[in-house]
Amino acid sequence: SAVISQKPSRDICQRGTSLTIQCQVDSQVTMMFWYRQQPGQSLTLIATANQGSEATYESGFVIDKFPISRPNLTFSTLTVSNMSPEDSSIYLCSVAGSRGGYTFGSGTRLTVV
Amino acid sequence: SQQGEEDPQALSIQEGENATMNCSYKTSINNLQWYRQNSGRGLVHLILIRSNEREKHSGRLRVTLDTSKKSSSLLITASRAADTASYFCATDDTGFQKLVFGTGTRLLVSP
Repeated sequence: SAVISQKPSRDICQRGTSLTIQCQVDSQVTMMFWYRQQPGQSLTLIATANQGSEATYESGFVIDKFPISRPNLTFSTLTVSNMSPEDSSIYLCSVAGSRGGYTFGSGTRLTVV
Repeated sequence: SQQGEEDPQALSIQEGENATMNCSYKTSINNLQWYRQNSGRGLVHLILIRSNEREKHSGRLRVTLDTSKKSSSLLITASRAADTASYFCATDDTGFQKLVFGTGTRLLVSP
């Protein structure tokens, strides 16, 4: 299965600022997925990122708030823009694995103060 | 919301006991998967069961799937303290290639 390196692992940010989260995969993958996990909650898909095209966002998530880049088949970034305390969450990237399951990055724990 | 429901929300057992978690979902699925998450970190894929399968085993894990009831269960046998984690079911909706996660079960295994 693919191995994902996700950075940063955690950050504390001031409201109104932006944070960019990076995911590097050790193999080429067509689709990368970005999830949000609010405190004590389950995971919610933010968007699907394909290389060479605009990301597809799920209901409730917009590009202006969560711009995504996918410059090549091994890398993607998610930016959380104009942050507020409600954005405090764990953000995770994911790719499809070899046997139908999905591999996840180690997560970015974001606290907005 | 399409999110699945899991019960119990929390489960506390002793080492050596079995732990059973249940998952219900709402839509037709291609497969159902179970994941473990330790201390709010990344998720680890445990097992996948396809919609045409009824039971699957992997080590100490046993998963069942009842598509007529839109439900699944995960059994962890002879639990260990290291099994302490949150467990999530996730459905891979037919044709969409994206996961919809359940609400999760927090399992605490005491030595």
